[in-house]
Amino acid sequence: ETGVTQTPRHLVMGMTNKKSLKCEQHLGHNAMYWYKQSAKKPLELMFVYNFKEQTENNSVPSRFSPECPNSSHLFLHLHTLQPEDSALYLCASSQDFDGGGSNQPQHFGDGTRLSIL
Amino acid sequence: GQNIDQPTEMTATEGAIVQINCTYQTSGFNGLFWYQQHAGEAPTFLSYNVLDGLEEKGRFSSFLSRSKGYSYLLLKELQMKDSASYLCAATDSNYQLIWGAGTKLIIKP
Repeated sequence: ETGVTQTPRHLVMGMTNKKSLKCEQHLGHNAMYWYKQSAKKPLELMFVYNFKEQTENNSVPSRFSPECPNSSHLFLHLHTLQPEDSALYLCASSQDFDGGGSNQPQHFGDGTRLSIL
Repeated sequence: GQNIDQPTEMTATEGAIVQINCTYQTSGFNGLFWYQQHAGEAPTFLSYNVLDGLEEKGRFSSFLSRSKGYSYLLLKELQMKDSASYLCAATDSNYQLIWGAGTKLIIKP
């Protein structure tokens, strides 16, 4: 139990489908992150939210749309995805996000394994 | 550009010691993290170094040399459960995390 819960654990979808990934953290943290993890590649930071405000968007295609209704919940809405979007999507949280970044350790969820047909 | 290098894969024997190296090139530096990730699971925090030297936590130790842009993770008395990927990540002057691709550690009996 990491304190960060992601659902679903696995998702298979067609390129025309719309789905959402959900993340919930029970750690009282203020910052939440979405990462993409592909085999044998470094983690790619997608979005950062601090106190519900988006602070980072690392040139992510618009077919990925984040939503952060409060400090405990984070969503990633998916539509019209491409086969190259198949990957493990990880959510993380940290105590805070100071200025351009944070030196606080991040706590990760187990991820959603996404497969695009 | 900013870059992290670590070996792709290493193999070691149960009960032995293994050292996983990480070299980094960043614009400024504000510390280095090591995470462990078992297959199909979340990365979990192992250590954070910002000053030169060795930090010991039980069977795991992490070393940092800022002048050399170098860190290592030392695992002693290896157990089968230590089979996992080990991720190195350095923070730059803006506290952005620069991640390595991870080192897959295979422990053999």
